[in-house]
Amino acid sequence: DTAVSQTPKYLVTQMGNDKSIKCEQNLGHDTMYWYKQDSKKFLKIMFSYNNKELIINETVPNRFSPKSPDKAHLNLHINSLELGDSAVYFCASSQVVDSPLDQETQYFGPGTRLLVL
Amino acid sequence: AQSVAQPEDQVNVAEGNPLTVKCTYSVSGNPYLFWYVQYPNRGLQFLLKYITGDNLVKGSYGFEAEFNKSQTSFHLKKPSALVSDSALYFCAVRDGEAAGNKLTFGGGTRVLVKP
Repeated sequence: DTAVSQTPKYLVTQMGNDKSIKCEQNLGHDTMYWYKQDSKKFLKIMFSYNNKELIINETVPNRFSPKSPDKAHLNLHINSLELGDSAVYFCASSQVVDSPLDQETQYFGPGTRLLVL
Repeated sequence: AQSVAQPEDQVNVAEGNPLTVKCTYSVSGNPYLFWYVQYPNRGLQFLLKYITGDNLVKGSYGFEAEFNKSQTSFHLKKPSALVSDSALYFCAVRDGEAAGNKLTFGGGTRVLVKP
């Protein structure tokens, strides 16, 4: 059983297109995240949702819009893709409330490799 | 503000020798510190964390880390490295007194264990 899963695993697309990446966690966690890892492996948080509510929104272009239909899913929609959006996008989840033994630990998905041509 | 520094881009070590990956941090409040490992074309795997309590933390695969408040460090160690430990290691910090659950990652250290 995959704890945090992402689809697709690879995404190759043209500039200007709109695409979505999906993330699902079956850990029962209340918080989910999106991270971007650039070509130099630098990892930076983009968004965080707690129980479907946005709690972290870093300085990300508004072409990126996260959507959380329920607390087990956090999707990332990207409009008007640009060359600089090429990266690996990681979804993660954690249990923030009422979890003293495992609090704070974020569990990551396998990543979605996005290449914009 | 919170930040993490991993001063070494790469660490080379012979199999069987001790492995140390350095990490220093800066936070305004109490530091929550983490180590993750990333194997090629894979996601990040959690190794260990320090939230409170004993400064020496033991984690997965024989790794441990020591929280040193005076030196603001959280170095990762393994007494005897294996070839399979070759991977990219990330240190991360969160300010325990700040709202939200934002993790800030270091730039990563590539570990190469040679047979």
